[in-house]
Amino acid sequence: IAGITQAPTSQILAAGRRMTLRCTQDMRHNAMYWYRQDLGLGLRLIHYSNTAGTTGKGEVPDGYSVSRANTDDFPLTLASAVPSQTSVYFCASSARGGTGTDTQYFGPGTRLTVL
Amino acid sequence: GQNIDQPTEMTATEGAIVQINCTYQTSGFNGLFWYQQHAGEAPTFLSYNVLDGLEEKGRFSSFLSRSKGYSYLLLKELQMKDSASYLCAPEDSNYQLIWGAGTKLIIKP
Repeated sequence: IAGITQAPTSQILAAGRRMTLRCTQDMRHNAMYWYRQDLGLGLRLIHYSNTAGTTGKGEVPDGYSVSRANTDDFPLTLASAVPSQTSVYFCASSARGGTGTDTQYFGPGTRLTVL
Repeated sequence: GQNIDQPTEMTATEGAIVQINCTYQTSGFNGLFWYQQHAGEAPTFLSYNVLDGLEEKGRFSSFLSRSKGYSYLLLKELQMKDSASYLCAPEDSNYQLIWGAGTKLIIKP
């Protein structure tokens, strides 16, 4: 069981280019999340999905879009990358809707540099 | 507004005990998570507190006071591998986690 995988591991991207970060989980979790982490700041939520077919905006959604066509996949798209989107991006998932603690489990991250 | 306050950095000696404090203000509150994050890696779950009091899990314990908006993580018998950042994350009324910037813990021999 892999848990959560993300691709690519790292990427250097020219400003203005379109980029999709991939995230796949095999835990059959209902909820999935995209965060960005910048030096000196806490994780900031970009978008989330509480269940397949639904998405919501987090704290910093501008410039990003997501889709949740099925339970396992939650891609994050940068339509036209800008240098301020240089960051480490983490995907996470949680069971949500069950009993007990709704712990989030994280993928290994994607290090994105926009030049 | 929502705010998390943790020390930026702490230093401790191998074998000792360290307490990492976290104070928070959130829109509603369901519980509080602590995560560990080694440099260059993803956060990993350590503990979750929903009721007041101390939760013990091996060398790590976490305490919560809901009325004071306060939590701490206690690490005992420190090992070099405990060098990492520790993230405090209260869960608001919408079940979203509010993340602090984390406390970088440096363990010295």
